[in-house]
Amino acid sequence: DTGVSQDPRHKITKRGQNVTFRCDPISEHNRLYWYRQTLGQGPEFLTYFQNEAQLEKSRLLSDRFSAERPKGSFSTLEIQRTEQGDSAMYLCASSLAGLNTEAFFGQGTRLTVV
Amino acid sequence: KNEVEQSPQNLTAQEGEFITINCSYSVGISALHWLQQHPGGGIVSLFMLSSGKKKHGRLIATINIQEKHSSLHITASHPRDSAVYICAVRGWGFGNEKLTFGTGTRLTIIP
Repeated sequence: DTGVSQDPRHKITKRGQNVTFRCDPISEHNRLYWYRQTLGQGPEFLTYFQNEAQLEKSRLLSDRFSAERPKGSFSTLEIQRTEQGDSAMYLCASSLAGLNTEAFFGQGTRLTVV
Repeated sequence: KNEVEQSPQNLTAQEGEFITINCSYSVGISALHWLQQHPGGGIVSLFMLSSGKKKHGRLIATINIQEKHSSLHITASHPRDSAVYICAVRGWGFGNEKLTFGTGTRLTIIP
């Protein structure tokens, strides 16, 4: 297992376009998290899944954002009608369920909306 | 006021110096994480603490639950330690599985 992988690593898109990012967690991990990090800030929580169930969504996740984890393995994060304010690093992390389990992060997808 | 505050925001030191980065939090937590982020974005977990002290190589992390405070120490610092160090906390119970992050401390070690 090569850890958490995210694709693409970089995405430049024009304002108004839709984008989709993919995260492949560590295979035995049933929890998967999406975070967003803007320049100079710490990551902020967007949403998380346990298996295929989306258990929590941040109020940061507007109706232009949707995340899925259809088979409880990989996850996708889609942003519709992108805005310049969506420019950020989108980080995925995975962990086992349970108290105080360690989270493992991917390399992130850097989105630039022009 | 942020739930997780780190200090300093930026730290520049000479190679070999002893480094301390502080993290204070305002909520009850089940665990605190110290993370390292290099340019390019990838985050690596350094420590996960719920009490006491942990050591890994030149890195030491401590936590005082009563005072809601943790420190990350680097002994004999080296230029390859240059990175952003982020403190993150996890709350208690169902619905608190997500991490809440500090804004990070940018560390630069000069040869």
